[in-house]
Amino acid sequence: EPEVTQTPSHQVTQMGQEVILRCVPISNHLYFYWYRQILGQKVEFLVSFYNNEISEKSEIFDDQFSVERPDGSNFTLKIRSTKLEDSAMYFCASSSEGQGYTEAFFGQGTRLTVV
Amino acid sequence: GNSVTQMEGPVTLSEEAFLTINCTYTATGYPSLFWYVQYPGEGLQLLLKATKADDKGSNKGFEATYRKETTSFHLEKGSVQVSDSAVYFCALSVERDDKIIFGKGTRLHILP
Repeated sequence: EPEVTQTPSHQVTQMGQEVILRCVPISNHLYFYWYRQILGQKVEFLVSFYNNEISEKSEIFDDQFSVERPDGSNFTLKIRSTKLEDSAMYFCASSSEGQGYTEAFFGQGTRLTVV
Repeated sequence: GNSVTQMEGPVTLSEEAFLTINCTYTATGYPSLFWYVQYPGEGLQLLLKATKADDKGSNKGFEATYRKETTSFHLEKGSVQVSDSAVYFCALSVERDDKIIFGKGTRLHILP
């Protein structure tokens, strides 16, 4: 069964360092997303990506965040200069149509710990 | 704005007990409603969904009915198993709004 895969499963980084979280969406999907969950909090939408550009982003997704689909298979989330409050579980998702219309498939998540 | 409120956990039940996890929502527009489940060490999986009022979503013995009059989508299962231990998330999406709004999640522990 096709699945969304994320790497690494756990990343520890120093405050101020750049991190790149990687995702391989399901191959025939066109819509890609990042969500995050701070421990004990809600799963929050960060950004959606379609047709090689951001289609929507939340207030959380400030200038420190960027997304890219560098090679037609990977979908990455970069945090330029990490802060302690960026510590969270980050989920990648993909869908064949927009999430208002069809199911999104989620990866296992990357736990980011900023120290 | 759009939001989802679900009961706080953890919920601890014995095997074969009846399960209800409450979920209510607020939405501008006409939402689709979902329950996602996260088993230990795994990602979020769609458990069931309902796209219009009075629809009942069901999967793996779980059910939830879209109640527009009470803005609710409570998750139920008649007889839980140890393997149902997981975190359950109620969620919604609104047509033409390309994101999912999640509740905080409810951790369920089933004791043998």
